[in-house]
Amino acid sequence: GAVVSQHPSRVICKSGTSVKIECRSLDFQATTMFWYRQFPKQSLMLMATSNEGSKATYEQGVEKDKFLINHASLTLSTLTVTSAHPEDSSFYICSARDGLVPGSGANVLTFGAGSRLTVL
Amino acid sequence: AQKITQTQPGMFVQEKEAVTLDCTYDTSDPSYGLFWYKQPSSGEMIFLIYQGSYDQQNATEGRYSLNFQKARKSANLVISASQLGDSAMYFCAMRPSNQAGTALIFGKGTTLSVSS
Repeated sequence: GAVVSQHPSRVICKSGTSVKIECRSLDFQATTMFWYRQFPKQSLMLMATSNEGSKATYEQGVEKDKFLINHASLTLSTLTVTSAHPEDSSFYICSARDGLVPGSGANVLTFGAGSRLTVL
Repeated sequence: AQKITQTQPGMFVQEKEAVTLDCTYDTSDPSYGLFWYKQPSSGEMIFLIYQGSYDQQNATEGRYSLNFQKARKSANLVISASQLGDSAMYFCAMRPSNQAGTALIFGKGTTLSVSS
């Protein structure tokens, strides 16, 4: 099946630094990728929709200047947390549209393994 | 408003028993997709099963089945013959309009614990 690779899986950084998280579709082209944020034992909250070759669409309440998203190719989207602070510590997970569910015609979202960010 | 509600924060079941995880949804779109994902402690999201709003039959996938009651707007996940490896967090999700470029909306999740 399709694979979405997310890197790094864990990152610890100092407050004020920027961190880049990469999301790659390994064996399919993803014109659209989605970035979610998840706090411990809570739901996944959509941050933004990343479209190849155009600006990302951010959800209400998500700071565009804080969370920079770039989707420069059909297989790569990046999320940069700029000037990170402890409150940005979270689990960030990307997803991309995969193939069809057999017999249903529905597209399934394949998720990366996630990136756990800890800001000291 | 588009919303997914999972009212069971935690469920406990013994091995080999069946368990039902509840999910209700709210949408005004006539076409939508319903999904269940499993998230083990490692954090990855594993797709389990899908139900389309126009599907006449309940979806099944191995030990997983989806009890779809459209009039009640519910899409409960049934796991038969639970295994220790089923212990994880389970999320119900909906894709409004069921268009490929639309993100999923997730419920708060249910933590399933399977004991021997």
